[in-house]
Amino acid sequence: DVKVTQSSRYLVKRTGEKVFLECVQDMDHENMFWYRQDPGLGLRLIYFSYDVKMKEKGDIPEGYSVSREKKERFSLILESASTNQTSMYLCASRDSGELFFGEGSRLTVL
Amino acid sequence: GEDVEQSLFLSVREGDSSVINCTYTDSSSTYLYWYKQEPGAGLQLLTYIFSNMDMKQDQRLTVLLNKKDKHLSLRIADTQTGDSAIYFCAESNDSGGGADGLTFGKGTHLIIQP
Repeated sequence: DVKVTQSSRYLVKRTGEKVFLECVQDMDHENMFWYRQDPGLGLRLIYFSYDVKMKEKGDIPEGYSVSREKKERFSLILESASTNQTSMYLCASRDSGELFFGEGSRLTVL
Repeated sequence: GEDVEQSLFLSVREGDSSVINCTYTDSSSTYLYWYKQEPGAGLQLLTYIFSNMDMKQDQRLTVLLNKKDKHLSLRIADTQTGDSAIYFCAESNDSGGGADGLTFGKGTHLIIQP
């Protein structure tokens, strides 16, 4: 059964904290993505990676960074969390065709 | 950039058919997708259609594609309470070997009335 696993389903952090969201896929996909989902705004692409150590900015990269040291793992980093980063974060992977999603990480920044 | 548009809400009675509509702008789309998101969960692929097809049926689901008008629809027959979810339309053209990802609509909340 193919899988994209996000390590944390729910997180609560304070303003200014550094936050790591981890994502692992077991399908040997080249491409991995981080989206955030907000009511009325749908899914917005933050960053994506098409190979190990390669990364590209999506539509809303400000305030975020990413790391892809191994093919199966793609991490999203909030260097200094802010309240406007409270959101649902979705990781996904694909080669071509279908995009496979994790279950999501709901982050609340107080 | 490319765009995908869909209504934000649809309300139907249990047992009726639901039709969720979507329009897109990328004329080079290769695949068009419907994803379903249940509360608190990630998105799961419901069905997809290749751009050279105009219809696909899978049990209670029927996808219609009008490539000329760039219009995609998802029909759910005999809508049940378990169909209550957000439905996302998405497209890809795969010219970048998959690195481009998918372009999503904002999602349609399907609300089922008893």
